[in-house]
Amino acid sequence: AQTVTQSQPEMSVQEAETVTLSCTYDTSESNYYLFWYKQPPSRQMILVIRQEAYKQQNATENRFSVNFQKAAKSFSLKISDSQLGDTAMYFCAFINSGAGSYQLTFGKGTKLSVIP
Amino acid sequence: DSGVTQTPKHLITATGQRVTLRCSPRSGDLSVYWYQQSLDQGLQFLIQYYNGEERAKGNILERFSAQQFPDLHSELNLSSLELGDSALYFCASSVGGGAIADTQYFGPGTRLTVL
Repeated sequence: AQTVTQSQPEMSVQEAETVTLSCTYDTSESNYYLFWYKQPPSRQMILVIRQEAYKQQNATENRFSVNFQKAAKSFSLKISDSQLGDTAMYFCAFINSGAGSYQLTFGKGTKLSVIP
Repeated sequence: DSGVTQTPKHLITATGQRVTLRCSPRSGDLSVYWYQQSLDQGLQFLIQYYNGEERAKGNILERFSAQQFPDLHSELNLSSLELGDSALYFCASSVGGGAIADTQYFGPGTRLTVL
C-alpha cells in the first residue's frame, strides 16, 4: 500500500520569507504522480503544484516549487516570498498510475501560518 | 472557484438517519471522486465513478453508496448514520476516467454533523 508522510504537523514563517514543507512517500511503483494541495480556512481544496515521477525537472508554479528526489522518495514544497494568503493546511498527495484506479492518497497535512 | 459544486454546504442530522449529498462536476469532466475528511482519519478516498459506472472503491462503508447519473452529477448516500460519520465530504472531478495526467478539482465540500 502507498503511504504519504508529512513529518511537520505545524510550521510558521514570516511574511516575505521562504519556507519548505517536507513530504516522503512509499511505493514500489515507478510511474506515479505527486501533488501538493492547499486547504485554507475556507476548507476548499486547491491544487498548488503537480510533479510527474518520470520527469527529472522539478515543477514550479510562480512562488511555489518542489524538490523531487525520486531515489529518496522525497517531495518537498518550497514557498518563496510567503504571503498572508498562504496561511493554510498543505497536503501532499500521491497517485499510483499502476493501480488501475486513480484515487489520491493524502498525507496528514502541515498547518502553515504566515506571520505579518 | 473550481467549477465543482456540492450541495448542501452543511447538514445536521441524528444518528440512524439517512442523508444524500450531491455533486455536480466541472463541465466536460466525466469522472467524479468522493473523499471523506475527518479529524482522526484524515482525507480518505471513498469511491470513483466514470461516465456513469463505478470505477474504483476505497474505504467506503457498506452503509454508504453512490451513483452517477446520465447528466454526470453524482450522489453519495449515507445511511444508518453514526456519530463517527461526522466529517467533511468532498467531491472532486476530472476529465478522464483516471488517465494519470488528469488533475482532480475539488468542490467546496459538505459538512456533515451527526448528533
